[in-house]
Amino acid sequence: RKEVEQDPGPFNVPEGATVAFNCTYSNSASQSFFWYRQDCRKEPKLLMSVYSSGNEDGRFTAQLNRASQYISLLIRDSKLSDSATYLCVVNNWNYGGSQGNLIFGKGTKLSVKP
Amino acid sequence: ETGVTQSPTHLIKTRGQQVTLRCSSQSGHNTVSWYQQALGQGPQFIFQYYREEENGRGNFPPRFSGLQFPNYSSELNVNALELDDSALYLCASSLVRGGEQFFGPGTRLTVL
Repeated sequence: RKEVEQDPGPFNVPEGATVAFNCTYSNSASQSFFWYRQDCRKEPKLLMSVYSSGNEDGRFTAQLNRASQYISLLIRDSKLSDSATYLCVVNNWNYGGSQGNLIFGKGTKLSVKP
Repeated sequence: ETGVTQSPTHLIKTRGQQVTLRCSSQSGHNTVSWYQQALGQGPQFIFQYYREEENGRGNFPPRFSGLQFPNYSSELNVNALELDDSALYLCASSLVRGGEQFFGPGTRLTVL
């Protein structure tokens, strides 16, 4: 089983649509979770951290379910500018440990059409 | 505040050559991580440096090596280049280990 798994898509949606991405992770000891956005041939950019209580930033809502080892991202009222690849990311670092790397899924491609 | 910068932006090498990639971390960030991203894949962790010492390593052979300097900038060195080393190499810095990581624009390496 891969450490972080995502549906690669592509998701093709019209402007204004609501779209949801899901991600599962294999290490139950994982400590922190993120969604990154990556535009074509650019670097990943942090979209939002994901907390157990769930968090919202404008049109974006992230949820974490530790029991199911599942992370989600909901985008409401999609804009053309939301077209990108969305990367689910897990950090297994824990205080007292020595390694603090990010583990990326392969990404889910979103294309928002007019 | 200056973000993470990397140089060069693009590089073309031939098999067997050696390459050095450079990264300047964001101001105040003492932790630098390097990732390799092949086409169509998510970034793969190479190694991380914290206060000039290697702080973890991914599944990459020893010909991938690195350094971190007192100003927290970093280098990635790859010896004996192979065709499969062609990828986007990303550097990320963070304020603390385990914290949010911010990426530079990357160096696109092509090995012919």
